[in-house]
Amino acid sequence: DAKTTQPNSMESNEEEPVHLPCNHSTISGTDYIHWYRQLPSQGPEYVIHGLTSNVNNRMASLAIAEDRKSSTLILHRATLRDAAVYYCILRDAHSGAGSYQLTFGKGTKLSVIP
Amino acid sequence: EAQVTQNPRYLITVTGKKLTVTCSQNMNHEYMSWYRQDPGLGLRQIYYSMNVEVTDKGDVPEGYKVSRKEKRNFPLILESPSPNQTSLYFCASSLWDRGRGAYGYTFGSGTRLTVV
Repeated sequence: DAKTTQPNSMESNEEEPVHLPCNHSTISGTDYIHWYRQLPSQGPEYVIHGLTSNVNNRMASLAIAEDRKSSTLILHRATLRDAAVYYCILRDAHSGAGSYQLTFGKGTKLSVIP
Repeated sequence: EAQVTQNPRYLITVTGKKLTVTCSQNMNHEYMSWYRQDPGLGLRQIYYSMNVEVTDKGDVPEGYKVSRKEKRNFPLILESPSPNQTSLYFCASSLWDRGRGAYGYTFGSGTRLTVV
């Protein structure tokens, strides 16, 4: 799977929007962009994923650049419960058995300030 | 409630004493896998299973065994645990389709294993 680059940490004030960036300049045409987060003392939790178009769900929005070399996870109003490590992961849906694996990087540790 | 259930949550054992960590999912997912998480190394896949009786090695399979006799269960077996297997372990299951591959992983709450 192609490599992703995320900032090590970010801070946000409570109830403000948060934009978490991810660079993936070597992304291939069949790579899906997945976001997971891991709250303290819990397992990773699926947030959102997309291929080309921007995506929205009840948790967040995913904005994908037109050239697909970067993406941004948007939390519209950060709460204290959103403090977690956020992982941006690329997965090739057509790489056979490898398409089943999630390869986690170091992610971005988001701190939310009350 | 859709979930992946791991047991136990915490386990302290001695070197060489066989142990099994259980994992069960109630979502009828075909794909299941085990990860370990260590400080500075992140999450690494140990084994995965694409369906009943179909398993394969992940990135760090040494010292572990798995089995998939039923779709819902995927136990992790340490035949002879050693201190370097002290870690936080997560089981996961996911949906799969031909277009997207595996997606929407659901993880268990984790098992913190200490081998002394």
